[in-house]
Amino acid sequence: GNSVTQMEGPVTLSEEAFLTINCTYTATGYPSLFWYVQYPGEGLQLLLKATKADDKGSNKGFEATYRKETTSFHLEKGSVQVSDSAVYFCALSDYNQGGKLIFGQGTELSVKP
Amino acid sequence: ETGVTQTPRHLVMGMTNKKSLKCEQHLGHNAMYWYKQSAKKPLELMFVYSLEERVENNSVPSRFSPECPNSSHLFLHLHTLQPEDSALYLCASSPHGGTVTEAFFGQGTRLTVV
Repeated sequence: GNSVTQMEGPVTLSEEAFLTINCTYTATGYPSLFWYVQYPGEGLQLLLKATKADDKGSNKGFEATYRKETTSFHLEKGSVQVSDSAVYFCALSDYNQGGKLIFGQGTELSVKP
Repeated sequence: ETGVTQTPRHLVMGMTNKKSLKCEQHLGHNAMYWYKQSAKKPLELMFVYSLEERVENNSVPSRFSPECPNSSHLFLHLHTLQPEDSALYLCASSPHGGTVTEAFFGQGTRLTVV
């Protein structure tokens, strides 16, 4: 079945550091890929998405590129801020598997001043 | 304002109690979902409703009983829960149930079973 694997957290960075959170997936078809973010005490919010190979999703300085050859969708940001502290979830949606969202386990990011 | 509202935000219940979680969306979406979020684990999809019809039930124990009276409201009825059921329960909606292009989540209900 389809699955998503993320790097384990927590990830602790200093402000203005470069961020990478790794995400790889397993899917039988051609899924759409997503990054969601969960701030403390909140539900999940869509951060960015990509629907086909080589697409790049971007939002709020975050980027991720859909890499079919490596089945990856790594999240990057050039300069993190304290306000980026949250839990980040990678997810996929595969039409061939009913289209439901399948999430990774989440990666907690803590940014220190 | 997320467009998806869950109540209550926090709930503590004994193992013999009966309670219900409520979810409401004002986005005009046709699909609604219940997820369970436990520490260090991926979100677990529990139930999917599309156009008020249950289309998926991922082997969830019968002590969890969903209800979708209309496309704007979703309930999760709880009875005789176990301590391991303590978790954050998230409701979500999406425009259509077939292929999820984006899901909108509520803030969740933090459930503690004592």
